[in-house]
Amino acid sequence: NAGVMQNPRHLVRRRGQEARLRCSPMKGHSHVYWYRQLPEEGLKFMVYLQKENIIDESGMPKERFSAEFPKEGPSILRIQQVVRGDSAAYFCASSPMGGGGTGNTIYFGEGSWLTVV
Amino acid sequence: TQLLEQSPQFLSIQEGENLTVYCNSSSVFSSLQWYRQEPGEGPVLLVTVVTGGEVKKLKRLTFQFGDARKDSSLHITAAQPGDTGLYLCAGAGNTNAGKSTFGDGTTLTVKP
Repeated sequence: NAGVMQNPRHLVRRRGQEARLRCSPMKGHSHVYWYRQLPEEGLKFMVYLQKENIIDESGMPKERFSAEFPKEGPSILRIQQVVRGDSAAYFCASSPMGGGGTGNTIYFGEGSWLTVV
Repeated sequence: TQLLEQSPQFLSIQEGENLTVYCNSSSVFSSLQWYRQEPGEGPVLLVTVVTGGEVKKLKRLTFQFGDARKDSSLHITAAQPGDTGLYLCAGAGNTNAGKSTFGDGTTLTVKP
């Protein structure tokens, strides 16, 4: 399966712990996006990254959340000192290029479900 | 901020019926995507529409992009239980298309 790969699929953390979610984009895709989905809601944009660069993080909470996409390895979404409100499904997506048009359709991974207890 | 409103939010129908779901905005999008998402899984792309007035068909699904590229509709003919799921529309702007704006979705249940 050459799709977007996310892990872990399910993660349980106690309040105050750290959560790390990983995403490997589709082969040949250099653009990665993270979205968050609360129950029975749509997806909310968090951050857009290219290799080693954060392009747009306007959807990221100002504190405790960070994301990176290193030159080698997967993209990582990191949540420090988790709180119950962080419980959600976090989806990673990738695309072959930036900009508009059909060439930039984004493809989603199967998500990582974070539960904070 | 670009917003997409989807309607209806919930729809429950019998197998064999037809239905239409809508995706509306006051903003213009360079392209619009429709996704279907099943519980516990990620959204799966159904179609991308780019040109105003464009109509695309995918078996029993017909997608239309409004002339002004501000709205879209998804029509399903003779719905089947396998069509059950959350249908999401997403609009991409002209510059940072990856920062797509998603509607909150239409949850469709097709009863056998």
